[in-house]
Amino acid sequence: ETGVTQTPRHLVMGMTNKKSLKCEQHLGHNAMYWYKQSAKKPLELMFVYNFKEQTENNSVPSRFSPECPNSSHLFLHLHTLQPEDSALYLCASSLARAGLSYNEQFFGPGTRLTVL
Amino acid sequence: GQQVMQIPQYQHVQEGEDFTTYCNSSTTLSNIQWYKQRPGGHPVFLIQLVKSGEVKKQKRLTFQFGEAKKNSSLHITATQTTDVGTYFCFGFYGGSQGNLIFGKGTKLSVKP
Repeated sequence: ETGVTQTPRHLVMGMTNKKSLKCEQHLGHNAMYWYKQSAKKPLELMFVYNFKEQTENNSVPSRFSPECPNSSHLFLHLHTLQPEDSALYLCASSLARAGLSYNEQFFGPGTRLTVL
Repeated sequence: GQQVMQIPQYQHVQEGEDFTTYCNSSTTLSNIQWYKQRPGGHPVFLIQLVKSGEVKKQKRLTFQFGEAKKNSSLHITATQTTDVGTYFCFGFYGGSQGNLIFGKGTKLSVKP
């Protein structure tokens, strides 16, 4: 266990559904991340939050909406997804950004998302 | 934009053989991290390199950071079946925000 939990672990949803992925870290970190991992692209950084402020949004479609209510919790709200959004969604946390660098990231187990 | 090329994409070795994966950045990095992801698992941090020319060892794993801080390598001596997985490099470079880029990973398989 890395101290980062994600729920649900598996999710199947239709294109018209609205669902949310949850990430929680118990490590006292202040930076949290969402990644997408698929067969086509082994790893894609989606969003970064540093002290609850979004610091990176790597051209992610608006059908993905992140929320970081506090430093321990991170959500990814999903709506009107496409089948190509099916992937493993990984959450990670780290100590806050240190200047121009990032600290070691601790990853959660991921949510396996299937969009029908 | 800036990017990191990681090679090879796949590597199949016989148990006991050595293995090396390389990351080459288009820009100078402030530091680089290496992660390992086992099949069906999630990435796990291995090491961070910060200094130009830095070399670090963890048992059979040797990590290097190039003098120009644009290249890095991970070398495994005498691979074992437990080394199976995908190895990723994460690079960080400057700018007003400080940015994270990473390689596409090298998938290692080890034949017993």
